[in-house]
Amino acid sequence: DIQMTQSPSTLSASVGDRVTITCRASQSISNWLAWYHQKPGKAPTLLIYEASTLESGVPSRFSGSGSGTEFTLTITSLQPDDFATYYCQQYNSYSRTFGQGTKLEIK
Amino acid sequence: EVQLVESGGGLVKPGGSLRLSCSASGFSFRSYDMNWVRQAPGKGLEWVSTITVSSNSKSYAASVRGRFTIYRGYAENSLYLQMNNLRAEDTAIYYCARDRDSGGYFDSWGQGTLVTVSS
Repeated sequence: DIQMTQSPSTLSASVGDRVTITCRASQSISNWLAWYHQKPGKAPTLLIYEASTLESGVPSRFSGSGSGTEFTLTITSLQPDDFATYYCQQYNSYSRTFGQGTKLEIK
Repeated sequence: EVQLVESGGGLVKPGGSLRLSCSASGFSFRSYDMNWVRQAPGKGLEWVSTITVSSNSKSYAASVRGRFTIYRGYAENSLYLQMNNLRAEDTAIYYCARDRDSGGYFDSWGQGTLVTVSS
């Protein structure tokens, strides 16, 4: 199975900051990568698919990049609503896998 | 509006069985691949299983293969997960999730149902 590794596991930042989360795949997944965020007690929400395509309704301060084995999610000008846990997910193979998550905390 | 509503969770003893249901509305259920994803308490997301539009292909995570069965009921617009020989490590919130255009990523999620496996 393809393993997905996110870094960092925890990230402290302030409102207005720019932050980047990295996701690495154990083998090439082309651009078959999605990003989600999840708030406590809620289901995850899709942010980005195909590594860089913004889901409809998602603010433009979110962006994704990368291909092959290394990917990034960038959030510019953090808003209070952005503090949550972020997950990457590969769908290159039918055995889909998620990263372990990155918790974005308020500094 | 797309809605996915899970039910069937609860407390079950190790070795027991449980069937989860996910009722779908607001979209053409028979046109989408569907999935189960779980999340153990305080942990990350784990993909569990996928079923294709026509039910002719089903895939499972290694951790549940041979114990869990995914299936769908077209008449009732519902997705199911039959879980047998449950273990403590199956304790989790189970989410039903819609696959976007068979793309492999999940564009709509239910609110989840909690399964607790404990003696």
